[in-house]
Formats: sequence, C-alpha cells, structure tokens
Amino acid sequence: SYVLTQPPSVSVAPGKTATLTCGGDNIETRSVHWYQQRPGQAPVVVMYSDSERPSGIPERFSGSNSGNTATLTISRVEDGDEADYYCQLWDIGSDHVLFGGGTKLSVL
Amino acid sequence: EVQLVESGGGLVQPGGSLRLSCEVSGVTISSNYMSWVRQRPGQGLQWVATIYGGGTTYYAESVQGRFTFSRRDSLNTVYLQMTTLRPEDTANYFCASHYCNSGSCYVDYWGQGTLVTVSS
Repeated sequence: SYVLTQPPSVSVAPGKTATLTCGGDNIETRSVHWYQQRPGQAPVVVMYSDSERPSGIPERFSGSNSGNTATLTISRVEDGDEADYYCQLWDIGSDHVLFGGGTKLSVL
Repeated sequence: EVQLVESGGGLVQPGGSLRLSCEVSGVTISSNYMSWVRQRPGQGLQWVATIYGGGTTYYAESVQGRFTFSRRDSLNTVYLQMTTLRPEDTANYFCASHYCNSGSCYVDYWGQGTLVTVSS
C-alpha cells in the first residue's frame, strides 16, 4: 500500500523559512493536500492540490510537488505557525484517504 | 456557514459498541463525500471510513467488518456504528466533509471531534 513519509519534527527560528516534506513513491503524479493542526483543535487545510492556497491562508504558505517529494514551505515563520502539519492524498486505486504521520513544527 | 457537530462518544468496555453521529449544516451530505478520521491521544490523523454521495462506503483495514458508515439524508446526518471495540480504537473521532476536484479530494470542513475511550 502507498505510504506517505514525513519527518517527525522541524525547528525553525522566527522570520526564517520552514520546509516541510512529504515523501511518497512518484508522489508528483498525485495531488497532495496539507493540514495544520494546533493543539486541541481540528485540522485546517493550508494547501490543496499541491500548490493551491485556500482563502484566508497567508501568502507565506506555498506548496510544490516534484519527483518523490511534496513540499510545504512557510516563509517568514511566526510563532503562530507552531503546529502539527499533515500531508494527505486520495488514493484513487483503493478509494482510501491517506495521511502522512505528521510533522511537528517548532518555532525556536 | 458550514458546521459539523459530532456526538455519541464516551467510555465503553472492550468488545462493546457505540454509535457516533455527525449533524451537518451548510452542505448537503448526499451530494458530498463524507469521512470519519480519528486521532489517538498524542498521535497523528488516521482515516477511518468514507461514504460517497451515491452511498458507497470504504473502510480502513483496521476497522473493516467492525465499523459501519451510514447516513440519513432527511436529517443531513451521518453515523459511524462501531462494534467489537478494542482499546486501540480509543481516539478522538472527527467528522469531515470533502471537496473533490479532478479526481482528488481534501477535507474542507471538520467537526470538533468526539472522544471514544475503550477501556475496562
């Protein structure tokens, strides 16, 4: 079965750029979505279809997908960006929803 | 405004049953893909099941044969009937509504979750 791999944690200083990755076999052929989840809250989509930003999400958030890695990039990181981030895709072959294991973003 | 409100969680003994409900407003469930996603304490998101607009259901292997996803269109409510519960089913269960485009779907609306605890 298809597996999405995310690093458990990423740390970044305020004002710097955070790069969150989501690995999968030939993932560039899939459409990847990203969610932000703050403690005690439901997830919120911050990027869909690789690089589409929902309304209300700052332009500091951007996405890309190439080869075996999809990437969520957060520029000029702020304290409020500290959260867990999950990648997700829809596996058409099995009609299953797949989530990566999540990355905890810490703002130093 | 779209709202998803879950209910029905609680404490249940191993082997027991529980039915979760999710009342939806602002979207028509019969026209949408709806899912249940769970999150064990301190862990990541785990897909549980999805129901398509036409009523077809799909389940994660870990719950196949034990959980049943259904809906009542007249009430715009979806349900998750859980049987033969195990301690590893302990989790916060989120109801989710999908937006689908070009063969891919993401969750555009989430409920706040309902906690299920399986313990003796």
